[in-house]
Amino acid sequence: GNSVTQMEGPVTLSEEAFLTINCTYTATGYPSLFWYVQYPGEGLQLLLKATKADDKGSNKGFEATYRKETTSFHLEKGSVQVSDSAVYFCALRAWGSTASKLTFGTGTRLQVTL
Amino acid sequence: SAVISQKPSRDICQRGTSLTIQCQVDSQVTMMFWYRQQPGQSLTLIATANQGSEATYESGFVIDKFPISRPNLTFSTLTVSNMSPEDSSIYLCSVVMDISQETQYFGPGTRLLVL
Repeated sequence: GNSVTQMEGPVTLSEEAFLTINCTYTATGYPSLFWYVQYPGEGLQLLLKATKADDKGSNKGFEATYRKETTSFHLEKGSVQVSDSAVYFCALRAWGSTASKLTFGTGTRLQVTL
Repeated sequence: SAVISQKPSRDICQRGTSLTIQCQVDSQVTMMFWYRQQPGQSLTLIATANQGSEATYESGFVIDKFPISRPNLTFSTLTVSNMSPEDSSIYLCSVVMDISQETQYFGPGTRLLVL
């Protein structure tokens, strides 16, 4: 079946540090990949997505590249801010026998300090 | 994109009672889902809400416990029945506007605490 594996958190960084949150996946077919962010006390917001191999999704300074050869979709940001403190979820959607299910990773909590 | 609202935003309920959560979308959408997020955990899909027919439930979730309605393309309700403290979670409505777009949007969630 489909699955998403994320690095465990929490991740604690100083402001302006470089961020990487690892995400790997297992899926049949060719999934679309997503990063969602959940700020404290809020629902999920779509951060970025990529729908085919070698696509790069980007938004708000965050980037992730769809790597089919390594089945990965790592989230990166060159310089984090305190306001980036949130929980980040990697997810995939593989259309097919399981139809439209979105499969989530366990989430990685990021804490950015001054 | 879709603007999704949920009511109530939070509630504290007594054991054995039921709560109905409403989800309203500002435009017609193809698919609507209900998720549960237990404290500190990831999201678990409860069911797909089907317009005019019974919802499609995931393994571990049953209609008697989580009845769902979807009378039209912009509205759905989830009822959490005969609640116990284990039902304390965030319940999220989610939509896909169009199959071809793939992107799935989430409502702000309903925070439920069962005493």
